[in-house]
Amino acid sequence: EAQVTQNPRYLITVTGKKLTVTCSQNMNHEYMSWYRQDPGLGLRQIYYSMNVEVTDKGDVPEGYKVSRKEKRNFPLILESPSPNQTSLYFCASSFRQGIGEKLFFGSGTQLSVL
Amino acid sequence: KNQVEQSPQSLIILEGKNCTLQCNYTVSPFSNLRWYKQDTGRGPVSLTIMTFSENTKSNGRYTATLDADTKQSSLHITASQLSDSASYICVVSADDMRFGAGTRLTVKP
Repeated sequence: EAQVTQNPRYLITVTGKKLTVTCSQNMNHEYMSWYRQDPGLGLRQIYYSMNVEVTDKGDVPEGYKVSRKEKRNFPLILESPSPNQTSLYFCASSFRQGIGEKLFFGSGTQLSVL
Repeated sequence: KNQVEQSPQSLIILEGKNCTLQCNYTVSPFSNLRWYKQDTGRGPVSLTIMTFSENTKSNGRYTATLDADTKQSSLHITASQLSDSASYICVVSADDMRFGAGTRLTVKP
């Protein structure tokens, strides 16, 4: 089944403790991206990747890192999480460059930073 | 100011009734507009895409319209069902993608 898989679904952590949210897609998509979703603000892009070893900042990249060493994986790294990073996170992928293309989303990761 | 504004923010209707969700945008130049449905606890799923030359497109009980002159789109849901309860997100593409904040629809029995 074609899908984007995120893990974990729920995560509670404390300020400053490094964490990684994994994202994997099995559709051989070139484009992958990360979003955070906050009430009233909608989805905001954190980082995106056009292909392996090619990543770029989105609208809200501060406090986040990503890597794209393999085509299927695009982990999101929070080196030193802070409470303002408490949010619902989504990974998404599309066949090629994301603009206008249909995005396939993972089921989300609810992160709470205490 | 967000370049994609959706209204209403939330909506409650009775099962079987129709409803219309609005999306107004200032994004330019326009490439296309997508409507996504996001069930609670899930990621958004694409419902339909509207390109510049399309005015109306239907997908089952969902009908999307686009007026590129006034930069407005609507999503009309006919004969609503409980499973239509979700958030509906409008995404407009120009040189990048701009997301609306969504409309939260609740269908009650």
